[in-house]
Amino acid sequence: AQTVTQSQPEMSVQEAETVTLSCTYDTSESDYYLFWYKQPPSRQMILVIRQEAYKQQNATENRFSVNFQKAAKSFSLKISDSQLGDAAMYFCAYRRGNNNDMRFGAGTRLTVKP
Amino acid sequence: GAVVSQHPSRVICKSGTSVKIECRSLDFQATTMFWYRQFPKQSLMLMATSNEGSKATYEQGVEKDKFLINHASLTLSTLTVTSAHPEDSSFYICSARGDRAVYGYTFGSGTRLTVV
Repeated sequence: AQTVTQSQPEMSVQEAETVTLSCTYDTSESDYYLFWYKQPPSRQMILVIRQEAYKQQNATENRFSVNFQKAAKSFSLKISDSQLGDAAMYFCAYRRGNNNDMRFGAGTRLTVKP
Repeated sequence: GAVVSQHPSRVICKSGTSVKIECRSLDFQATTMFWYRQFPKQSLMLMATSNEGSKATYEQGVEKDKFLINHASLTLSTLTVTSAHPEDSSFYICSARGDRAVYGYTFGSGTRLTVV
């Protein structure tokens, strides 16, 4: 079974600073995708960034980037120049292949201090 | 972009009654719909997976007779909580996969169910 572990229940960052959220996963599959989702108080799930396992290059989306360490099964999210609007729950997610369900970690609550 | 409309956003019902939650894909065909439940301050837990025209596949521990899922068309999937009890109170979210969704799926906005 695939599992996703987020070991940081809460994180805090000063506005304009950088923060890194950790995620590890366990799988024996070779074809999989990893995601970071943001869930603000509205509880709408918002895709932040995705990474295909077969790609060695780390994904980047504006201020968000990942450090994908395939051998270590680690997938951390770095948020640069943190903004107040980044405050939310962040979930790391794993998906086997293209057609399967997503499995989520326990989440990390990010607080951004002005 | 792909949009999934989920209704109602909030519902309060009495114990023993049934509640139906709808998820509609507005601008794409949802070949697969995933239903999740999220308890307060917890993660999303997969309840079931439904493919259009087929019976839903339920995760272990989820009662299929209690959580009825219908995916009769490529744009609509429903979750009916039957004979609801207070312990069914939770946040329910659907997630749709379209036929071109190589990457992420689209989530509905969720339904907060309170059973009194």
